Amino acid sequence: DTAVSQTPKYLVTQMGNDKSIKCEQNLGHDTMYWYKQDSKKFLKIMFSYNNKELIINETVPNRFSPKSPDKAHLNLHINSLELGDSAVYFCASSQLGGTSAPPQYFGPGTRLTVL
Amino acid sequence: SQQGEEDPQALSIQEGENATMNCSYKTSINNLQWYRQNSGRGLVHLILIRSNEREKHSGRLRVTLDTSKKSSSLLITASRAADTASYFCATVTLYSGGGADGLTFGKGTHLIIQP
Repeated sequence: DTAVSQTPKYLVTQMGNDKSIKCEQNLGHDTMYWYKQDSKKFLKIMFSYNNKELIINETVPNRFSPKSPDKAHLNLHINSLELGDSAVYFCASSQLGGTSAPPQYFGPGTRLTVL
Repeated sequence: SQQGEEDPQALSIQEGENATMNCSYKTSINNLQWYRQNSGRGLVHLILIRSNEREKHSGRLRVTLDTSKKSSSLLITASRAADTASYFCATVTLYSGGGADGLTFGKGTHLIIQP
């Protein structure tokens, strides 16, 4: 069974569109994350979220918003897509989080291409 | 700001040789983690070393941590073709007001094992 899954794997869309990426984890973890990996493979945290707290990286535009319908899901919504949003987006999860900094389990990634 | 910086950026060695990658970081940490990313895939957690540990082993992996120098190294012994991947060190940024964010990654070392 896949521990952390993301859909879709590839997403090609036009500038200005609104899109969502879904993420599900079946590990029973209580903290989930979204990361962005650019063309130079640099990974950057976008959000970390558990059922108590959402931490937003201040550099993330407010066009990006995480939505968690339940503990096992953290979806990423992106409004008014821009060319610079093209990247690979990774979802991850961990047991607990915060200062304990446990290992994280990553999904396979979603490659977003904005035309 | 980027927390981890891996060195070298790329490393190519012959199968069977040992591979050493280094990582430097800037702020206080609870632990430091190493991850592997195969081409087109998500990240996989390899090993975690706590701030009060100096060395840790896991199979063919050996990690060291020097908190006085804010640096860590990852040694892969008896390398295999399957070890070809990008390797990232990661830490959690601890905020002075409490709480923490997701992992902050370095730019990674791209390791190529020549058969």
